[in-house]
Amino acid sequence: NAGVTQTPKFQVLKTGQSMTLQCAQDMNHEYMSWYRQDPGMGLRLIHYSVGAGITDQGEVPNGYNVSRSTTEDFPLRLLSAAPSQTSVYFCASREGGINTEAFFGQGTRLTVV
Amino acid sequence: DAKTTQPTSMDCAEGRAANLPCNHSTISGNEYVYWYRQIHSQGPQYIIHGLKNNETNEMASLIITEDRKSSTLILPHATLRDTAVYYCHLGDYNQGGKLIFGQGTELSVKP
Repeated sequence: NAGVTQTPKFQVLKTGQSMTLQCAQDMNHEYMSWYRQDPGMGLRLIHYSVGAGITDQGEVPNGYNVSRSTTEDFPLRLLSAAPSQTSVYFCASREGGINTEAFFGQGTRLTVV
Repeated sequence: DAKTTQPTSMDCAEGRAANLPCNHSTISGNEYVYWYRQIHSQGPQYIIHGLKNNETNEMASLIITEDRKSSTLILPHATLRDTAVYYCHLGDYNQGGKLIFGQGTELSVKP
């Protein structure tokens, strides 16, 4: 199993551009989440999903959209990139239930100039 | 969501036990205590979790106080590869997929 796969690994955007960060998991996990991590900071939850067709906002959702059309994929869209969105983005997934661990991807390093 | 408090940083000598504390005084009865770590800005990695009883696995031990208001992650024989940021967080996964992380403890294992 590949686990949680994020693409691309690195990306540079110009201010105002839009793009989609991809996240795919092959573990048939119900729950998926997106986090951002700024330099020297902890993880902040952007959006999360408890199953196909169901998404909700996390701590810092502004400027980002998500959708969950399949169990496997949970893309994160930046609508109009801003320098404040320069960060490392992590995707995570886990099984449903109260006693499960989260698996994280290796991250996407995004720079907005 | 209930909050956790961890020291910002800690040092540990190689080969000694590393004891990482976490305070969670507002924990509710159905919340588990989870620990993850993040090495060199890689994706976080699960370590261990527990509800009431102490837990041990091949990586670490988790000691939860009887009142569940605090816990300690123990790395019994720390190595240089254990240098990382350690996150303690509370999960009531009946609430769905929402995992909120705090700032974590930066553990430096020194030779």
